[in-house]
Amino acid sequence: GDSVTQMEGPVTLSEEAFLTINCTYTATGYPSLFWYVQYPGEGLQLLLKATKADDKGSNKGFEATYRKETTSFHLEKGSVQVSDSAVYFCALRMNRDDKIIFGKGTRLHILP
Amino acid sequence: ETGVTQSPTHLIKTRGQQVTLRCSSQSGHNTVSWYQQALGQGPQFIFQYYREEENGRGNFPPRFSGLQFPNYSSELNVNALELDDSALYLCASSSLGGGPISTDTQYFGPGTRLTVL
Repeated sequence: GDSVTQMEGPVTLSEEAFLTINCTYTATGYPSLFWYVQYPGEGLQLLLKATKADDKGSNKGFEATYRKETTSFHLEKGSVQVSDSAVYFCALRMNRDDKIIFGKGTRLHILP
Repeated sequence: ETGVTQSPTHLIKTRGQQVTLRCSSQSGHNTVSWYQQALGQGPQFIFQYYREEENGRGNFPPRFSGLQFPNYSSELNVNALELDDSALYLCASSSLGGGPISTDTQYFGPGTRLTVL
């Protein structure tokens, strides 16, 4: 079935470091892809999305490009801040039924 | 525009009891989806309600049931609670169009943390 695999955490970086969180997916069709972020004690917030191959989603300095050939949607940020510390979830949605399938999440710690 | 709200925030129950969790959709949304997030895991889809009808269900037993009301708010009911039901329960609202294709993003509430002792 459809699934999402993302790199295990925790990931610990110093402030202003470059961030990459890897995400790959398996799907029978052409899903929409998402990154959600969960801050401590809060629900999920949509960070960015891409709905077709080669689309780039971006928000708050984060970027991810929908790569159909490698079935990937890696999250990147050029210079992380302490406030970026959270759990990040890669996810997909097959438009036909609107169910979202999530990866297991990657916990990110940014040190000042 | 109000966001998605859930109640209660936290809940403690014992094995075998029943629980009802509530969700109010974002204004203008007609669809509610429920997810279970176990500790350290990603959310798992439970079911979705569209215009008061169940519109898809994940791999959860029948003791997980739901309702959607005419104002599009929703309830999740869990009967015969088990220890493994301890989790964060998230609801998400969206707006499905007239056909089967989703056209909008799902917006999540803050969740209800259920502990089963």
